[in-house]
Amino acid sequence: QVHLVQSGAEVKKPGASMKVSCEASGYTFINYYIHWVRQAPGQGLEWMGIINPSGGSPRYAQKFQGRVTMTSDTSASTVYMELRNLRSEDTAVYYCARWGYYLDFWGQGTLVTVSS
Amino acid sequence: NFMLTQPHSVSESPGKTVTISCTRSSGSIASVYVQWYQHRPGSSPTTVIYENKQRPSGVPDRFSGSIDSSSNSASLTISGLKTEDEADYYCQSSDRGKWVFGGGTRLTVL
Repeated sequence: QVHLVQSGAEVKKPGASMKVSCEASGYTFINYYIHWVRQAPGQGLEWMGIINPSGGSPRYAQKFQGRVTMTSDTSASTVYMELRNLRSEDTAVYYCARWGYYLDFWGQGTLVTVSS
Repeated sequence: NFMLTQPHSVSESPGKTVTISCTRSSGSIASVYVQWYQHRPGSSPTTVIYENKQRPSGVPDRFSGSIDSSSNSASLTISGLKTEDEADYYCQSSDRGKWVFGGGTRLTVL
């Protein structure tokens, strides 16, 4: 069965960087794109970007351009999302999700808290 | 870029039918598929409608989606409401490969 397992919760200081992993299992890793979506406390879902695990340039939301990098490691069946220069507004639950014809499997979410 | 506007909240009684709207601010609603997601507190979101009106396997046929070009909007309709349908619902579409979510609608079943 398909699973996306994300790394654990993190606490970061303003200005620091975060890197969340999303390990896939139960399917052919390179055959499905992965999206990243976040939800800040009390806010709605926010799309961050998409990566093709087999290669090519990721596509990022305009809001995060220059601060985010999505990468993949095919040997580990894992995608990563790095967000730099963190601010308090980046406190959120971050989700990875697999794109088939729709977002059919989601990770469990990773809470990242940015606080001094 | 465009926006997707949803009502902040809706409420209805069990057994009734509710419709949640999602209005696109610019560009045609029919030009790109709309998806709908259900998000219960403490859980990851799930897709309840994709490609405007398709239901993933496992989603009951009480959930249906549609688009209306005249109002440039999409709608999610849930019939035979159950208490377990209480959740936040988000519409989503895209423009030139960049995704946009609506602000979300809190559905209360009381």
